Order: sequence, then C-alpha cells, then structure tokens
Amino acid sequence: DTGVSQNPRHKITKRGQNVTFRCDPISEHNRLYWYRQTLGQGPEFLTYFQNEAQLEKSRLLSDRFSAERPKGSFSTLEIQRTEQGDSAMYLCASRPTGAWSYGYTFGSGTRLTVV
Amino acid sequence: GESVGLHLPTLSVQEGDNSIINCAYSNSASDYFIWYKQESGKGPQFIIDIRSNMDKRQGQRVTVLLNKTVKHLSLQIAATQPGDSAVYFCAETRGAGNMLTFGGGTRLMVKP
Repeated sequence: DTGVSQNPRHKITKRGQNVTFRCDPISEHNRLYWYRQTLGQGPEFLTYFQNEAQLEKSRLLSDRFSAERPKGSFSTLEIQRTEQGDSAMYLCASRPTGAWSYGYTFGSGTRLTVV
Repeated sequence: GESVGLHLPTLSVQEGDNSIINCAYSNSASDYFIWYKQESGKGPQFIIDIRSNMDKRQGQRVTVLLNKTVKHLSLQIAATQPGDSAVYFCAETRGAGNMLTFGGGTRLMVKP
C-alpha cells in the first residue's frame, strides 16, 4: 500500500470518552500532518511532525487534544473527554521534506461522531 | 485576517463544458498554491499545484492560473465529466511549517 492509511474509518463515542486515531503515512515521508474538517468546510490544520519531533502544536484546539509520533513512523491523535463539538472528520497527510517537494498526500480520514 | 476563500459555493455545468473555479487569497507572502478535489467520504486528492513565481500551469484537462496582482487563483477543467463532480478546495502555504490553509470549497455538479 503506497497511500496514507487512517484507522478507524468511523468512530462513534459517547460524550466524555477518550478516543485515539491512528495514521500510517507513506513510508518515505518524514513530515506528517493532522487536520480537522467539519461539514462543508475546508480542512483546518492541527499539528505536524517532522520525523518524531512535533514542530507545531499551537493550533491544537484545546488541551484535550494531543498527538504523538514516537518512532517517526505512524502517528496517533488522541482526544480526551470528547464533546459533541469534536464531531468531525480527522485527516492525516504526509509529505517528504524538501523546499519545493510539496507532495501532500491525504488519507481518507476518520469520521468521529460524539453522541 | 489572512485567509483563503472561494467566490462560489456551488457550480453547476453541463457535461462536456469547461469549468472554472475561483479562489482569492489575502496574504501576498503565500508562496505555493494547491487545488484539491474531495469526493464524499474521502480525503482531499491532489489535482495540480503552482508556485508563486509562475502564472500558469497545465495538467491533464486542468489548468491553474495565478494572478498575484489581485491575489486570485483559478482552476479550469476542460471537457468536464461526471466523474469531476466533487468539492474543490484551494489551499496555500507559507512559512517553514508548510502547513496548508484551505478555503471553504466549491461544489462542482456536472449535469449529463
């Protein structure tokens, strides 16, 4: 598989529960990005990694959101104490490093529904 | 504030006609622009990109035009097909993080 893989595809959870999503990027891509997309809107940047280093996390929506990429390969996004407003599509993208190597590839996303 | 936006939320075209989707950006420091296509339930799919030192770039049935004077970007799709029906987003990047800033999207509907 040469694409970006995200699991699960769908997640339904009760308000107040914690959820974790996984992203497996394209193997040679050392940059990994998380975005959130609500219905009818464009994706909104959350955070990104270069290898295992999280280089930008100020855009994470609250301290309930956290992301890791411990070995510089797959990444996880966790939302603690979920709220109904967290319902959205969570997208992962990866790309190689390089000044003009902007080949962002997105996964199919994880659709979160908080009930 | 700095933003990327789209002029039309919905565009309906006849199959075989050409489509033009427009996008405005507000930050003159933006150095790279990308058009994405997103079908229902899927992630954004790369269509074509353009750097800020270019005015035009062509791909297969698609052309992107960049007008830096008025900060305007357009996507032209030739001989639009039913499979082109989707939501189209423009996105821009600037700065070392290269994170993408997306606009709100235009839904393209192709009538047979």
